[in-house]
Amino acid sequence: GENVEQHPSTLSVQEGDSAVIKCTYSDSASNYFPWYKQELGKRPQLIIDIRSNVGEKKDQRIAVTLNKTAKHFSLHITETQPEDSAVYFCAASIPGNTPLVFGKGTRLSVIA
Amino acid sequence: NAGVMQNPRHLVRRRGQEARLRCSPMKGHSHVYWYRQLPEEGLKFMVYLQKENIIDESGMPKERFSAEFPKEGPSILRIQQVVRGDSAAYFCASSPSGLAGGNEQFFGPGTRLTVL
Repeated sequence: GENVEQHPSTLSVQEGDSAVIKCTYSDSASNYFPWYKQELGKRPQLIIDIRSNVGEKKDQRIAVTLNKTAKHFSLHITETQPEDSAVYFCAASIPGNTPLVFGKGTRLSVIA
Repeated sequence: NAGVMQNPRHLVRRRGQEARLRCSPMKGHSHVYWYRQLPEEGLKFMVYLQKENIIDESGMPKERFSAEFPKEGPSILRIQQVVRGDSAAYFCASSPSGLAGGNEQFFGPGTRLTVL
């Protein structure tokens, strides 16, 4: 089955700097890759996703890139702000209504 | 337009009791997924249901755990004879019916189960 690895497990950046979180997946059939942000005690919130027919997607300060050949995808946050501090999870799934396989998360701290 | 609803938000049980967790999907969504999150860990898939059907229960322990999504009413995750290791946050997510490319899943607020 699918296995998703996520790095780093913790990341500290200065306010205004960029943050990059990387994930790899094992199942070449996976074609949907969402990213979730989870604040302490809250639900995971979908912040951006990418499907395998595109290589990059951007939404304001957040972008995701996908390399299908290498089976890795990354989250990029530019101009980080203290409110970006949270745990970020990547996930992958195969086509159709199928369960998500999550990475173990990255705890991002943005230092003012 | 209400999102995914879960109740209770917090549940305390003593070892050996039963825990019953409820999830109402977003309006128009017919697919429900249950995930478990241990402290400081990611989310692990447990079971996937559509109305009146269990589609995939490969992540759910064979004993003590069961799930249903009846024709009327919320989906229910039931844990019998709870043990301390069952203490976790249980999230459900829902998605609309299928595009071939995979579907967005929207999460509820979770039920935090504590077993004393």
